[in-house]
Amino acid sequence: KNEVEQSPQNLTAQEGEFITINCSYSVGISALHWLQQHPGGGIVSLFMLSSGKKKHGRLIATINIQEKHSSLHITASHPRDSAVYICAVIAMYSGGGADGLTFGKGTHLIIQP
Amino acid sequence: NAGVMQNPRHLVRRRGQEARLRCSPMKGHSHVYWYRQLPEEGLKFMVYLQKENIIDESGMPKERFSAEFPKEGPSILRIQQVVRGDSAAYFCASRKEYTQYFGPGTRLTVL
Repeated sequence: KNEVEQSPQNLTAQEGEFITINCSYSVGISALHWLQQHPGGGIVSLFMLSSGKKKHGRLIATINIQEKHSSLHITASHPRDSAVYICAVIAMYSGGGADGLTFGKGTHLIIQP
Repeated sequence: NAGVMQNPRHLVRRRGQEARLRCSPMKGHSHVYWYRQLPEEGLKFMVYLQKENIIDESGMPKERFSAEFPKEGPSILRIQQVVRGDSAAYFCASRKEYTQYFGPGTRLTVL
């Protein structure tokens, strides 16, 4: 079992829909990242969370440390949001490297016009 | 402030050759991480370096791979005697406080 699990693996939605991507992890963490990887391959860090909720534009990320769960929401989705969204944690042990990230496999999101 | 830079962006090597991947962190960042993304797989941690020190190399293959981050100049990930299984995208990230900033990656193809 992976230490970081994401769902769904693939998601296709219509423009304007509210999108939710989920991430569950099985280890103690000091922080969680949401990353976006576009078809060209570049990776952008969207959020880093250690508690509560963060909002940036149409993106909202939440984390529940007790339940070891985080969600990424996209409001008023747009075709340009189409990308792979990756959840990554900084585990409290050194298996991922001191502050190195342990990654989920990603959610492939396609927003159709 | 330029972002994290990696070069080359694409690298083609024949089996048995050496591959050198370079990563210049953001200005003022002294922590560098290397990650590998194999085709159809997720990203995996390889190594974490600070200037002139390897902090954690638990994700590095035991043979043929090495990394350095000298006092001056970029961080280098070196792969000796490449094999087809080394074909992947290699990303570096730099960190100053808590957030990691990723470079555009180097796509290595081994023929």
